[in-house]
Amino acid sequence: AQKVTQAQTEISVVEKEDVTLDCVYETRDTTYYLFWYKQPPSGELVFLIRRNSFDEQNEISGRYSWNFQKSTSSFNFTITASQVVDSAVYFCALSGWDDKIIFGKGTRLHILP
Amino acid sequence: NAGVTQTPKFRILKIGQSMTLQCAQDMNHNYMYWYRQDPGMGLKLIYYSVGAGITDKGEVPNGYNVSRSTTEDFPLRLELAAPSQTSVYFCASSYAAGSSYNSPLHFGNGTRLTVT
Repeated sequence: AQKVTQAQTEISVVEKEDVTLDCVYETRDTTYYLFWYKQPPSGELVFLIRRNSFDEQNEISGRYSWNFQKSTSSFNFTITASQVVDSAVYFCALSGWDDKIIFGKGTRLHILP
Repeated sequence: NAGVTQTPKFRILKIGQSMTLQCAQDMNHNYMYWYRQDPGMGLKLIYYSVGAGITDKGEVPNGYNVSRSTTEDFPLRLELAAPSQTSVYFCASSYAAGSSYNSPLHFGNGTRLTVT
C-alpha cells in the first residue's frame, strides 16, 4: 500500500528564516508521481509542484525548492527567506499505477512577523 | 472557466439523514476524486473515478456512495449520516493520473458538513 508521512505536524519560524518541510513516502511502484500542495487559511488547495520518479533533479522556483531523493524515499520542500504569506498547511501527495492520489497529514507552517 | 464547482458550501444534517454533495467540472477531465479533510488529519480519499461509468473505492469509502454517469459530474451520496462524517469535503479533477503520466489536481472550494 502507498503511504505518505509528514512527521512535522506544526512548525513556527520567524519571518526571513529558512524552513524545510519533510515528506517521506512508501510505494512498491517503480514509476510514480509526487506532489506538493498548499492550503492557505482561506481553505483552497493550490498545486505547487509535481515530480516523477525518474527525475531526481532538484527544483527551484523563486524562494521555493524541492529535494527529491529516491534513496531515502523523501521529497522535501524548503522555503528560503520565509514570509508571512507562506503561512499555510502544506501537503505532500503520491500517485502510482492505480490512479489513487494519497495525501500526507500535512504540516501547518506559521511564519511569525 | 468555472473549473471544479461544489455545492452546497455548507450543510448541517441530523443523524440518520441523507444528502448528496454535488461536484461538477468543465475541463473535460476524466479523473475525479472525493476527499474528506478532518482537522489535523490531512486529506483522505473516499472514492475516485477514471471516467464516466467507472468508480472505485479509496481509503475511507464506508458510509458513502458515488456515481459517474457523465464526464462532468461526480456526486457523492451520504446515506444515514453519522457524526463521524462531520468534515470538509473536497472534490478534485485531473487530466491524467497513474504512473505513466500524471497531472495536478484541480480542487473545488469544499463543502463543510456538520452532522448533529
